[in-house]
Amino acid sequence: DGGITQSPKYLFRKEGQNVTLSCEQNLNHDAMYWYRQDPGQGLRLIYYSQIVNDFQKGDIAEGYSVSREKKESFPLTVTSAQKNPTAFYLCASSVDRGLGRNQPQHFGDGTRLSIL
Amino acid sequence: AQTVTQSQPEMSVQEAETVTLSCTYDTSENNYYLFWYKQPPSRQMILVIRQEAYKQQNATENRFSVNFQKAAKSFSLKISDSQLGDTAMYFCAFHSQDSNYQLIWGAGTKLIIKP
Repeated sequence: DGGITQSPKYLFRKEGQNVTLSCEQNLNHDAMYWYRQDPGQGLRLIYYSQIVNDFQKGDIAEGYSVSREKKESFPLTVTSAQKNPTAFYLCASSVDRGLGRNQPQHFGDGTRLSIL
Repeated sequence: AQTVTQSQPEMSVQEAETVTLSCTYDTSENNYYLFWYKQPPSRQMILVIRQEAYKQQNATENRFSVNFQKAAKSFSLKISDSQLGDTAMYFCAFHSQDSNYQLIWGAGTKLIIKP
């Protein structure tokens, strides 16, 4: 079955440490997204990528970095510069955002990141 | 700026009742796309229903339907014959060319279905 796989499900970060969240999709989607969700709140866009080797900052990109070396993969690194990383992180993908503009985003199951 | 407002932070109804979740949005675009997503306690985000603004007919998916009022910029979700499995956070979202087709999200409504 096609879908989006996020790993790990739970992740703990120590002070000063960078951690990387994995996101892989086998839906052949062009666009991929990373969102952050805090308790009781909606989703905020961190980064998105429309094509391999290209990505754009979202609303809250500071303290995060991404790469898009393969169409299927869009890992997110939470750097030590992100002072409040505790949150639920969701990865999503969609058909090309322009041509497939009526198509929804498909989501992974999320990663919960906490500080030790 | 484009915004989405969900004015009901939390709602609860008895099983089998009908419930309506409200959503309003603000955009200067004439064509855009609206979505309702459901996030159950498992935290997975699931598409419930979608509507294209140029279509006048309200979208329907089984027990879920929308009341799309373009002039009022309103996009409410009606759940008929509610079931315990409908308990979840519900998010309204839309995108348009103005938003560069990035989803603009509401803050969500927590829906509790009581047995």
